[in-house]
Amino acid sequence: KQEVTQIPAALSVPEGENLVLNCSFTDSAIYNLQWFRQDPGKGLTSLLLIQSSQREQTSGRLNASLDKSSGRSTLYIAASQPGDSATYLCAVTPSGTYKYIFGTGTRLKVLA
Amino acid sequence: EAGVTQFPSHSVIEKGQTVTLRCDPISGHDNLYWYRRVMGKEIKFLLHFVKESKQDESGMPNNRFLAERTGGTYSTLKVQPAELEDSGVYFCASSPVPLAGGRGGELFFGEGSRLTVL
Repeated sequence: KQEVTQIPAALSVPEGENLVLNCSFTDSAIYNLQWFRQDPGKGLTSLLLIQSSQREQTSGRLNASLDKSSGRSTLYIAASQPGDSATYLCAVTPSGTYKYIFGTGTRLKVLA
Repeated sequence: EAGVTQFPSHSVIEKGQTVTLRCDPISGHDNLYWYRRVMGKEIKFLLHFVKESKQDESGMPNNRFLAERTGGTYSTLKVQPAELEDSGVYFCASSPVPLAGGRGGELFFGEGSRLTVL
């Protein structure tokens, strides 16, 4: 049974810091991994989607890597800003299914 | 282009009552998903429609939950009768790719419907 874990559960950093959020999953048989952002009371916004054959994806200040064999993904945020404050979720699609398995998220607060 | 819209944004009902949540996917998206987040837990899959057909409903908690998708457009999720443990946020997501969420697709989520059962 696939399980997704995100560490840390919460993180508070000063503005301008580079930071790394971690996501680990127990079964390497996945189709893809997607990182989302959720603002309080809002829906999920897709940040980056990494296919199982890819190693990383970049969008602006965000870079996500995927190491399928070790069951890990990291989301790197460069030069963090207060507007980056949100909950970050990762989700994987186990092979043979069409549904996401979500982690519990990392609640990020960037202090001005 | 309008995103995934959900209605109502928040519903408060008494235990034993019925609630119907509605989701309008992005136009042209054949794949529609329902997910749920209960307090303190991770978001969990409920079911997946391809057009009007249920592709996978393995995540539906019990037979008090009924999902429909009329004509392959909007979808409703009915809870009858509601129980306290049904409280949470119900998310709808859609995607244009036939195997979205599986082989390569990106999911687009709505803002969720918060259900509170008293």
